[in-house]
Parts: sequence; structure tokens; C-alpha cells
Amino acid sequence: LAKTTQPISMDSYEGQEVNITCSHNNIATNDYITWYQQFPSQGPRFIIQGYKTKVTNEVASLFIPADRKSSTLSLPRVSLSDTAVYYCLVGDNYGQNFVFGPGTRLSVLP
Amino acid sequence: DAGVTQSPTHLIKTRGQHVTLRCSPISGHKSVSWYQQVLGQGPQFIFQYYEKEERGRGNFPDRFSARQFPNYSSELNVNALLLGDSALYLCASSFGQTSGRYEQYFGPGTRLTVT
Repeated sequence: LAKTTQPISMDSYEGQEVNITCSHNNIATNDYITWYQQFPSQGPRFIIQGYKTKVTNEVASLFIPADRKSSTLSLPRVSLSDTAVYYCLVGDNYGQNFVFGPGTRLSVLP
Repeated sequence: DAGVTQSPTHLIKTRGQHVTLRCSPISGHKSVSWYQQVLGQGPQFIFQYYEKEERGRGNFPDRFSARQFPNYSSELNVNALLLGDSALYLCASSFGQTSGRYEQYFGPGTRLTVT
């Protein structure tokens, strides 16, 4: 099973780019990496998913190196509303197991 | 489009009782997963169902069980409730293994409190 680690917390200022890294040293060949945003008392909200290299959508980018032992979520120009907990999730789509990281609490300051 | 829905929103039970939580997936999604999230921690995987069959199980005792219905909705059952079962129970749906699309979308969760 993949074990994931993330920084517990990060601070940033409005308008800055934020990079959050997740380590998953024993990721399996079939595993995908997904990032979620969660606000208090709500379910996680899908941000982005990738398998290798770089993926970009309208809200974020995901960088995955060739060895896939880590991944970095990049949020461009954060705003106060981006203050939340961010989780990485490692797992295949065959339902054998899904492992969430411990979460990174991002605080965006004015 | 309607997202993943879960019921009830909140629930209070007594130790030893049984509880059933319900989930309706996004239209077109055939896979449902269940997670337990204890306050201050990341979600823990409990089950995944695809086409009404269990495809994966996390490290939870046999007191936890689930099933998926022909309309792809799902129930999570927990027997002999313990205080430690108090948590936010999350349901997530996805297209499923044969779709080529693997992202899971989560519902708002059911907050279970065991007293």
C-alpha cells in the first residue's frame, strides 16, 4: 500500500503561487494521483488527477516526476477563498485500496 | 447536474446500535466508494463497489458492510456501534474501471455521532 506524507500546514499571501508536495514512495504501477480541496464540514472537492508528467486544468497544475514517488499541486495566484485543507489521494481504479495523505492546511493571508 | 447525495446529513446513535447510511451517485457513475473521516484526519477507505460487486475493502472490521443496488445507489451499514465510529462518512462516485476515467467525486457526508 502506498503511504503518503504531506506538510501539515502552509501559509501564503493573496496573488502568490502555492506549491504543495505529496510524497508517495511506494506508489504502485496502476496507481493514479488525485488532489482534493476540503472545507470544514464538507466533502472533498476534486481538483486534478494525473498519472505522470504534467497535467493542467483551469484551476491547478499537477507535476509528477518520472519516478512518481512524489507529486506537486500548483495553485496559481491564490485568493482568500483558497484557504482550506488539501489532500493527495493515491490509488488505482480497481478499488483495491485508496490512501489519502494527512492533508495540508493552507492559509491564505491578505 | 446533481452531485453525489447522502442521507441523512446528521445522525446520533447509542453504543451497540446499528446504523444505515445512504448514497446516490452522480448520474452515469457506476462505482461508489465509502470513506470514514475522523475529525482532523484524512479520509480512510472503507469499501468500493462497482456494478453491484465489492471491488475493494480497507482495513475495517466486519461490523462494517455495504451493498450497491441496481440503480447504483449504495448503503453502508455499521453494526454494534462504538464511540470510535463517530466520524464523517463520505461517499464518492466515479465512472468505474472500464471507463478510462478514474476521478472520484464526493458527497457532503453524513456526520455520525455515537454516544
